[in-house]
Amino acid sequence: DAGVIQSPRHEVTEMGQEVTLRCKPISGHDYLFWYRQTMMRGLELLIYFNNNVPIDDSGMPEDRFSAKMPNASFSTLKIQPSEPRDSAVYFCASFPGPPGANVLTFGAGSRLTVL
Amino acid sequence: AQSVAQPEDQVNVAEGNPLTVKCTYSVSGNPYLFWYVQYPNRGLQFLLKYITGDNLVKGSYGFEAEFNKSQTSFHLKKPSALVSDSALYFCAVRDNTGKLIFGQGTTLQVKP
Repeated sequence: DAGVIQSPRHEVTEMGQEVTLRCKPISGHDYLFWYRQTMMRGLELLIYFNNNVPIDDSGMPEDRFSAKMPNASFSTLKIQPSEPRDSAVYFCASFPGPPGANVLTFGAGSRLTVL
Repeated sequence: AQSVAQPEDQVNVAEGNPLTVKCTYSVSGNPYLFWYVQYPNRGLQFLLKYITGDNLVKGSYGFEAEFNKSQTSFHLKKPSALVSDSALYFCAVRDNTGKLIFGQGTTLQVKP
């Protein structure tokens, strides 16, 4: 298995532009998570899905952020418009249900820089 | 609400010495506890987990963790540190909805 695949690995954009980050979870994993990592705030959970349905989006910073999971093998995290404070590494992760002790597997991350 | 605390931002240890990275947790019900490691410019990698049973859990790369229910702790340990163990370590707890909540991370620096 190729693991959790994220794209792009690096994105540099200007303030006000739309950013779309993509994630392909491991096949058969029905939970998908989006995390954001910064030096100041550490690792923050933004949103997670179960069977393509958003379960908890309380970590999404504001309306500029949105996430979708149109099918079991693809998810997007969109920021529109982007701001410099959105600069961070965004991780996607997945695990097979049910929860319990199943291991969450992370992608390599997408490093976003907003100028 | 479930939470995890890693009281040390950084731990420094000499190569060959034992290391401990501390973690305390708060969770309702039976805890599912995890340790992850992150090397520079990489994603988080799973090290070990506690479900039930033995309080000493063994994991990857010679790491182990000790679960202590009365102290609500799950400290990461290794008998003999290597320079290559230098990385960022995260403790995490899973709540009953499946959400994995991470601590703020502890940087481990192993000096030769």
